[in-house]
Amino acid sequence: EVQLQESGPGLVKPSQSLSLTCSVTGYSITSNYWGWIRKFPGNKMEWMGYISYSGSTSYNPSLKSRISITRDTSKNQFFLQLNSVTTEDTATYYCARYKRGGYYFDYWGQGVMVTVSS
Amino acid sequence: QITLTQQAESLWVSPGEKVSITCRASQSLLYTDGKHYLSWYQQRPGQTTKALIYHASIRTDGVPTRFIGSGSGTEFTLSIEDVQPEDIALYYCLQTLKKPYTFGAGTKLELK
Repeated sequence: EVQLQESGPGLVKPSQSLSLTCSVTGYSITSNYWGWIRKFPGNKMEWMGYISYSGSTSYNPSLKSRISITRDTSKNQFFLQLNSVTTEDTATYYCARYKRGGYYFDYWGQGVMVTVSS
Repeated sequence: QITLTQQAESLWVSPGEKVSITCRASQSLLYTDGKHYLSWYQQRPGQTTKALIYHASIRTDGVPTRFIGSGSGTEFTLSIEDVQPEDIALYYCLQTLKKPYTFGAGTKLELK
């Protein structure tokens, strides 16, 4: 069974970088696409971006200058880095598999809550 | 970017009833392959987000048949027939036709 698990600090100071890891078991990240999605307080959801099976990336233009998604295929993990965070980046962050051939997110992690505060 | 509007923030339902959640897109979600790039998700506290429907009407593996996706063009509906207590959750629509992919605001299903 495909499982995803987010990990990372739950508290980040303003202007610093937010770094999260998504560990995948049961499936290789060298297939399909692997994305990051966040949910703000108040329930608004935002697609942040994804990394493909080949390592290419696509980002939401609203984040383009601040976001980076990378991977370590040897560990079957992919990563989110969001720079210059503000309190508006406080959210629950999810990693998910984007299934080609269906074009939807079929497996999700539990989510990790990140608060940006001094 | 494409805007998805889920007009109902909350819907109240009794077990056994039928409920419909609507999602309206700011432009057609029909691609040249004849498929609509619209999917539905369920979020319950303490559980991972569950994909229910993709391509507007195809149930994902293991999703009960009481979940029905319908619609075309810009108007889509997720219907839940014979609502069960475990269906009380937050429901989102998502378009993946054009980037940035965008979600509806979510509809919370609550018990009367």
